[in-house]
Amino acid sequence: DAGVTQSPTHLIKTRGQHVTLRCSPISGHKSVSWYQQVLGQGPQFIFQYYEKEERGRGNFPDRFSARQFPNYSSELNVNALLLGDSALYLCASSFRVDMTYEQYFGPGTRLTVT
Amino acid sequence: AQKVTQAQTEISVVEKEDVTLDCVYETRDTTYYLFWYKQPPSGELVFLIRRNSFDEQNEISGRYSWNFQKSTSSFNFTITASQVVDSAVYFCALSEPTDSWGKLQFGAGTQVVVTP
Repeated sequence: DAGVTQSPTHLIKTRGQHVTLRCSPISGHKSVSWYQQVLGQGPQFIFQYYEKEERGRGNFPDRFSARQFPNYSSELNVNALLLGDSALYLCASSFRVDMTYEQYFGPGTRLTVT
Repeated sequence: AQKVTQAQTEISVVEKEDVTLDCVYETRDTTYYLFWYKQPPSGELVFLIRRNSFDEQNEISGRYSWNFQKSTSSFNFTITASQVVDSAVYFCALSEPTDSWGKLQFGAGTQVVVTP
């Protein structure tokens, strides 16, 4: 079975630009979460989507938005890029188990803002 | 406030030594879940284990073992007879209902360096 796929792998943008990152979950998984990982730190939660509805939002500005499509793939959009948005963006595909979600991560998109 | 604390920034060991990674968490919920992930140099986070707050049994999986102690809010991870392939950053994470079950709150990670 294919794992979580993310595109693009790397991206270089200029301050003020907009970026769209894409994620395809593992087949059968209905939930996708997005995390930002700054170098040397643990991942920080941005969004969770389940069955195309937003189920959780982290402490990120409104410049960050996301959506989930009928096929459960997802996009993360970031507007008005800042230098501080440079990070590894991780997508996690998950399924519900007990009361929580077991999350499997993709390889990430490395975003560099110059 | 940091919900998950991994006090060890980096641990260096020689191959075949055991290494224990500490994880201390903070939550007011009685039901919660704890996770460990491995992040090798390639960058992809690899799921290792999920444990719920009602199951305090220690778990062993090959060379990996986990010690969960609610009394000290700790969920420590031991690699026995370490190998070079174990070199990675290891993250402990918490999932709790107060926030959102789907939100994993990660610690800062512990870098494990295994030398031959």
